[in-house]
Amino acid sequence: ILNVEQSPQSLHVQEGDSTNFTCSFPSSNFYALHWYRWETAKSPEALFVMTLNGDEKKKGRISATLNTKEGYSYLYIKGSQPEDSATYLCASKALFGNEKLTFGTGTRLTIIP
Amino acid sequence: DADVTQTPRNRITKTGKRIMLECSQTKGHDRMYWYRQDPGLGLRLIYYSFDVKDINKGEISDGYSVSRQAQAKFSLSLESAIPNQTALYFCATSDKSGLANTGELFFGEGSRLTVL
Repeated sequence: ILNVEQSPQSLHVQEGDSTNFTCSFPSSNFYALHWYRWETAKSPEALFVMTLNGDEKKKGRISATLNTKEGYSYLYIKGSQPEDSATYLCASKALFGNEKLTFGTGTRLTIIP
Repeated sequence: DADVTQTPRNRITKTGKRIMLECSQTKGHDRMYWYRQDPGLGLRLIYYSFDVKDINKGEISDGYSVSRQAQAKFSLSLESAIPNQTALYFCATSDKSGLANTGELFFGEGSRLTVL
């Protein structure tokens, strides 16, 4: 993996269902993995910053896991609500990368009431 | 009030015109960034600054310049705008990543620029 890749590109989920999506990133020289939530017409906001292999973070109904050896992170949303509709961005930072974050193209999540 | 403020929020201009996008922050962060968002692409870094008068090129700096004259302000200029610079531009700030903080980015609400 040379770039940060997110899948799926878009997703429609029924309200109340749980869902997850994937971020793949270069595993060599890994330093940190960021997840952001971006609602239309608003600023992207940080959800999680993860650095350690095997790390799991949780914020309410949203959680994320990190596998730095194989270069992937999962974002989980439990019991989706309409306010979860947003684009979810991940970004990775490499060691010796001059603090540069490389962003994926995002997963656009739409919750169907 | 937003911690990171961008002006203007929307701008339509013509090819060849000079445009400046301004960003100011009240978070007290040393680090500031300009990103560009295009449909189907991830956010791409244009320029970044770690301190006053410190300027560093990102991955797509051609056709852009920046100025950091004060800690709280970071402006992006397009000296002679062209249509493929039509995009959504984000300013962001961060604290230095380390044990005490995560290095997460704090974004402004974006400036939508259209070059005709």
